[in-house]
Amino acid sequence: AQKITQTQPGMFVQEKEAVTLDCTYDTSDPSYGLFWYKQPSSGEMIFLIYQGSYDQQNATEGRYSLNFQKARKSANLVISASQLGDSAMYFCAMREGVSWGKLQFGAGTQVVVTP
Amino acid sequence: DTAVSQTPKYLVTQMGNDKSIKCEQNLGHDTMYWYKQDSKKFLKIMFSYNNKELIINETVPNRFSPKSPDKAHLNLHINSLELGDSAVYFCASSQSPDRGNTEAFFGQGTRLTVV
Repeated sequence: AQKITQTQPGMFVQEKEAVTLDCTYDTSDPSYGLFWYKQPSSGEMIFLIYQGSYDQQNATEGRYSLNFQKARKSANLVISASQLGDSAMYFCAMREGVSWGKLQFGAGTQVVVTP
Repeated sequence: DTAVSQTPKYLVTQMGNDKSIKCEQNLGHDTMYWYKQDSKKFLKIMFSYNNKELIINETVPNRFSPKSPDKAHLNLHINSLELGDSAVYFCASSQSPDRGNTEAFFGQGTRLTVV
């Protein structure tokens, strides 16, 4: 069964607007971590932000913030003030506590930022 | 300084050949991984090594054999290449999961094309 679900295969957003990328997850492990990665067209995987299951506050890193709703098992990524360079594929991933660091990825959301 | 480097970046080879992809990390991490990204961009873990010891071996054909000569290196050898092996292979590294946040740092990927 798919553990990470990203329901938006692609979206367009205008420059300077905010965009929310959806991610829901499924686990029965009380200890887990949630990650977002960016993959631009050049192909590398860039770590953006991390949220631990026991973290009380939502994670933020510059223009990236994670809207963590534990009861709903969702970990949406919010990118504020989109820039053209934000155009990329975005992956949500989860590490479950006993999995020795194994990341399980969602299918990704392709974001295109338009001028 | 490149944190996780893998070579080669591109690899085109004929069916039936044997090939290797090398990976090195200079982050001092003790856990390394191989991930495969298919043509639909889906990322899936193949192997994980912790302190040179195989920890995770997902259902990967035994034509794929990882080798970790030391903590900083994890190479991937593939025997008898098949058309279906064409994909992008990512090496990654992270701290041990028992050390808290374990974001994985990825290499730039190796695009393998089997013809």
